[in-house]
Amino acid sequence: EADIYQTPRYLVIGTGKKITLECSQTMGHDKMYWYQQDPGMELHLIHYSYGVNSTEKGDLSSESTVSRIRTEHFPLTLESARPSHTSQYLCASSEGLLGLFFGEGSRLTVL
Amino acid sequence: AQSVTQLDSQVPVFEEAPVELRCNYSSSVSVYLFWYVQYPNQGLQLLLKYLSGSTLVESINGFEAEFNKSQTSFHLRKPSVHISDTAEYFCAVKGTGRRALTFGSGTRLQVQP
Repeated sequence: EADIYQTPRYLVIGTGKKITLECSQTMGHDKMYWYQQDPGMELHLIHYSYGVNSTEKGDLSSESTVSRIRTEHFPLTLESARPSHTSQYLCASSEGLLGLFFGEGSRLTVL
Repeated sequence: AQSVTQLDSQVPVFEEAPVELRCNYSSSVSVYLFWYVQYPNQGLQLLLKYLSGSTLVESINGFEAEFNKSQTSFHLRKPSVHISDTAEYFCAVKGTGRRALTFGSGTRLQVQP
């Protein structure tokens, strides 16, 4: 059973607000990921982390930022949310070739 | 660059009928292949994967997929579907040296009674 948690599950906020999406995993995995998912579209990698203090931008350009101060924690921050940021954000972690373990997602709506 | 194509965005099927969800990938290097399932309002769950060895891989709930290198395909099949199989299915590929999975756009399987 995968143990990776995302909060909040749903968030509706106004334009210009700062938001942080939380992601935590208890499996001790070094690699963690943030994907963005829009309806009917493929998942796009927006951030990747090899381990503590190691983060990289993904394949899809994103105005969000991430940090990895602890192995188990990989939060994503938007300094000033806009309607174009409305999407579902999926956090995942992995170890070796076991595949990715995903959280349940955070659905963000920016008005 | 690698990419994944899932040709069918939606596949309606009657309960107990067979189903095939198609997946093709493009990559010039060795790849690892995955199928994930996403139930409504949930995250993605790993269904099955091909890493090496036998080209036919199976999941615990009756799905199977066959890696075909010459066709660059990894189609997902089930001989008899249930209502509970209704979900979105994503094919994904990881090339050696790549840092993360590349996903297809998903296929929505709708099982009707």
